[in-house]
Amino acid sequence: EPEVTQTPSHQVTQMGQEVILRCVPISNHLYFYWYRQILGQKVEFLVSFYNNEISEKSEIFDDQFSVERPDGSNFTLKIRSTKLEDSAMYFCATRKGAGSNQPQHFGDGTRLSIL
Amino acid sequence: GESVGLHLPTLSVQEGDNSIINCAYSNSASDYFIWYKQESGKGPQFIIDIRSNMDKRQGQRVTVLLNKTVKHLSLQIAATQPGDSAVYFCAEMDSSYKLIFGSGTRLLVRP
Repeated sequence: EPEVTQTPSHQVTQMGQEVILRCVPISNHLYFYWYRQILGQKVEFLVSFYNNEISEKSEIFDDQFSVERPDGSNFTLKIRSTKLEDSAMYFCATRKGAGSNQPQHFGDGTRLSIL
Repeated sequence: GESVGLHLPTLSVQEGDNSIINCAYSNSASDYFIWYKQESGKGPQFIIDIRSNMDKRQGQRVTVLLNKTVKHLSLQIAATQPGDSAVYFCAEMDSSYKLIFGSGTRLLVRP
């Protein structure tokens, strides 16, 4: 079964450094998402992306965050200057098409630890 | 992808028994709901979904019930197995197709 693939599985970074988290979507999926899960908390929406544009972003997704699909395959989340509170699991999710009855499929996440 | 269960409600069941996990959702306008299973170190895994024009949907060993009147979802797992031990999340899809997750329930299956 096709999977969403995320790399790295674990990233340890000094506060203030930039990080890039990578996702390879399922091949025929058109809608891409990033979610975050702080330890012990629920999964929270960060941003949705379609047709090379951000569709929607949450209030968490401030100017330090950006997303892009540079080569038509990888979908990346960049945090420009990391803060301690950015430590969390980051999940990429993809969805095949439009319509409200299509589930999002998740990768296994990147654990981001900010020191 | 581990949700440490310091504050997660926990359901403990005997292997072979049926499990029922409940969830309340927030938006009466939501018309699509999904149950996800999250095992330690993994991302949310799709289990079953339901549209708002249905009140019940069955899969293999799982059934989802939807009560729109009280904005309540439940996930029933028949003949629970040790491999069912995980955290279970309900999620509602809003009008912009993003998911809003519930807070999760940890299912522990006793051998």
